[in-house]
Amino acid sequence: NAGVTQTPKFQVLKTGQSMTLQCAQDMNHEYMSWYRQDPGMGLRLIHYSVGAGITDQGEVPNGYNVSRSTTEDFPLRLLSAAPSQTSVYFCATTLRTGSNEKLFFGSGTQLSVL
Amino acid sequence: AQSVAQPEDQVNVAEGNPLTVKCTYSVSGNPYLFWYVQYPNRGLQFLLKYITGDNLVKGSYGFEAEFNKSQTSFHLKKPSALVSDSALYFCAVRDYGTDKLIFGTGTRLQVFP
Repeated sequence: NAGVTQTPKFQVLKTGQSMTLQCAQDMNHEYMSWYRQDPGMGLRLIHYSVGAGITDQGEVPNGYNVSRSTTEDFPLRLLSAAPSQTSVYFCATTLRTGSNEKLFFGSGTQLSVL
Repeated sequence: AQSVAQPEDQVNVAEGNPLTVKCTYSVSGNPYLFWYVQYPNRGLQFLLKYITGDNLVKGSYGFEAEFNKSQTSFHLKKPSALVSDSALYFCAVRDYGTDKLIFGTGTRLQVFP
């Protein structure tokens, strides 16, 4: 079991470039989410999905798009990168069964936008 | 809208002493509350949760947290701190009936030998 796999681990972009952060899971969890981590700001929810074909906005969705065509994959797209998007990005899945609820995080993608 | 506050950026404690990391929350319904920990250069790990039941919740690595509805708090505690507990701790809340899990800004715990 690989759990939650994020690629790439590191990325440097120029302002205006686009890219996709990949997230794949093999735990068959319905819930998936993307967070960004910035010093002093904690973890902020970008987008989330409650199942294939369903996505919704989190706290800071502007500048990001997501799609969920399969249960396994939840890519995050930056359409036109800006320096304000320099951050560490975490993908997570949620195990939610009855009273049991727990997030499983990927190892993160460190993104720098110049 | 739900929110969570961690009023302390950093908590310093001597090894062997008890520790408390504070968390308060705001929700419109019943809260689902969580603590996660991030060790240096490692991912985030689940520590414990409160969904229903006993107000005192026990989790991993000897940590526990107390749900206090009247004070809307969910403080993380440990009776005797270890140097290896030094890490970044995040409190999180999900309002019942929503699917958004919102995190606090994090508290850095430093345990000194």
